[in-house]
Amino acid sequence: EAQVTQNPRYLITVTGKKLTVTCSQNMNHEYMSWYRQDPGLGLRQIYYSMNVEVTDKGDVPEGYKVSRKEKRNFPLILESPSPNQTSLYFCASSLSGLHRGGPGNQPQHFGDGTRLSIL
Amino acid sequence: SQQGEEDPQALSIQEGENATMNCSYKTSINNLQWYRQNSGRGLVHLILIRSNEREKHSGRLRVTLDTSKKSSSLLITASRAADTASYFCATDEGGSEKLVFGKGMKLTVNP
Repeated sequence: EAQVTQNPRYLITVTGKKLTVTCSQNMNHEYMSWYRQDPGLGLRQIYYSMNVEVTDKGDVPEGYKVSRKEKRNFPLILESPSPNQTSLYFCASSLSGLHRGGPGNQPQHFGDGTRLSIL
Repeated sequence: SQQGEEDPQALSIQEGENATMNCSYKTSINNLQWYRQNSGRGLVHLILIRSNEREKHSGRLRVTLDTSKKSSSLLITASRAADTASYFCATDEGGSEKLVFGKGMKLTVNP
């Protein structure tokens, strides 16, 4: 079954304790991205990756890191989490690299979300 | 940057009625997409309309795009309680590497 898998689904942790949220897709998609969703603010893009070893900042990258060593995986790393990073996080993927018109040209497939609470 | 803005922010209707949601954006786009999100779940793609298209249908969904007004509308006909969800538009800001989502609109369909 084609899917985007995020882990963990829920996490409560404390300020400063490094954490990683994993994201994996089995559709051989080139484009992957991370969003955070906060009440009243909608979805805001954190980082995106057009392909392996190609990553770039979205609108709210501060406090986050990503890597894209393999096509299927795109982990989100919080090196020193703070309470303002408490949020609902979504990973998404799509077929498109720039040569296919970019992410707007293809449907995005979303994971089920990771709810992070940082105390 | 927030590109699309959905309007109204919330809509409550009775089952069987039609629901219309609007999205406005600021810069030129190549594509506009609509998504649905059930409470706390991931977004699900509904429909994609390209800048050279004016209208598109998918089942009970009808999407229009007016590039001169920088706006799109999503019409759900004969709504059902299962259509209760939040709806988002997303645009690609002229074919850039980013897809920018609006803040969403909450639709409640009462049985």
